[in-house]
Amino acid sequence: QSVLTQPPSMSAAPGQKVTISCSGSRSNIGDNYVSWWQQLPGTAPKLLIYENNRRPSGIPDRFSASKSGTSATLGITGLQTGDEADYFCGAWDSSLGAWLFGGGTRLTVL
Amino acid sequence: EVQLVESGGGLVQPGGSLRLSCAASGFTFSSFEMNWVRQAPGKGLEWVSQISARSTTIYYSDSVRGRFTISRDNVENSMSLQMNRLRAEDTGVYYCVRGPMFTIFNSWGQGALVTVS
Repeated sequence: QSVLTQPPSMSAAPGQKVTISCSGSRSNIGDNYVSWWQQLPGTAPKLLIYENNRRPSGIPDRFSASKSGTSATLGITGLQTGDEADYFCGAWDSSLGAWLFGGGTRLTVL
Repeated sequence: EVQLVESGGGLVQPGGSLRLSCAASGFTFSSFEMNWVRQAPGKGLEWVSQISARSTTIYYSDSVRGRFTISRDNVENSMSLQMNRLRAEDTGVYYCVRGPMFTIFNSWGQGALVTVS
């Protein structure tokens, strides 16, 4: 099964802003909600964004997300060294009857 | 507090079988769909299977369909993944995940390592 497309890696300086893209198709991102997860080294993924753009309590408002058509974007402002992690997008695919993940983006805060 | 604890991981030879379990606590288990998601060493996340709250609807990824079987026990608050005909590419950490994946209810266990070698 296909995955959603994310850039493999990104980097930015502390204090800067980064946007991570997630590209899919109509049957997944186009027709369904997108979620984002943060995975710190050696830990389980943690929900960052749900229902396209909503943040669970405890997630700073430095993290935001949006969806347009068959693509989604995660934005992180005021980057901190603690934001260094892998970030994954995900969406249900109505045609496949399967949950799809992006390949993940490794964020380095230089 | 939501807790999902996986068990049953280990080393198995190719072609062998293994059964993973997930013990759930801190929420009304019978109200939520559940998933298994795996992660090969150094790789991304791969969804494996999903079971609805009352086991009426089950989905599998193409890579495991016909070899893996998901089940749950709403009395014991547990979920299982029976893995047969294991392959080297099934190696990874298997996470028990509360769904729906797109909602605020999404929650992950710490994972169980399965090594097929």
